Amino acid sequence: GESVGLHLPTLSVQEGDNSIINCAYSNSASDYFIWYKQESGKGPQFIIDIRSNMDKRQGQRVTVLLNKTVKHLSLQIAATQPGDSAVYFCAEKGDGNKLVFGAGTILRVKS
Amino acid sequence: DTGVSQNPRHKITKRGQNVTFRCDPISEHNRLYWYRQTLGQGPEFLTYFQNEAQLEKSRLLSDRFSAERPKGSFSTLEIQRTEQGDSAMYLCASSPLDLREYFGPGTRLTVT
Repeated sequence: GESVGLHLPTLSVQEGDNSIINCAYSNSASDYFIWYKQESGKGPQFIIDIRSNMDKRQGQRVTVLLNKTVKHLSLQIAATQPGDSAVYFCAEKGDGNKLVFGAGTILRVKS
Repeated sequence: DTGVSQNPRHKITKRGQNVTFRCDPISEHNRLYWYRQTLGQGPEFLTYFQNEAQLEKSRLLSDRFSAERPKGSFSTLEIQRTEQGDSAMYLCASSPLDLREYFGPGTRLTVT
């Protein structure tokens, strides 16, 4: 079936640097995408979302980019802070109303 | 704090026992979702409700699993005759009629 491909890599960044987390999706019918942050022992926390009629959306310190041609999604975090350390998931909605998640990327921020 | 609450937060049970989890969504959210998450993986969809109607169930939801949302507010997820493979984090999420889902803290189930 369709899946969002994210195979639990680890990204280590220095505090204050920018972080970029990437995600590939396979369902071309997906029209809505979300990034979540999950800290140990907690549920996923909404960060930012984007619909397929957009290619960029900005929030506070975060930007999501969507490239539908190559089915690629990225999350950019500006001026990464120690509190940003967590597992980050991208997820998609296409047919139906359920989110399809990838496996996540671990972000480690070094002080 | 998204406002979605789940109880209990942790449950340890012996294989073969029944367990029930509760989810209280954000007030006035029409949709309520259940997901299961194992270590190192993203959450996997189990089922969702719009108001009191259960509209979709995953093939992951075996006959031993049942979910209800009797009054369109809180929901329960019951697992009968638990197996060790049921050990996971069970997550609940709610949303209004747009696409964004807000998750609760989860219930961690350990089957011994």
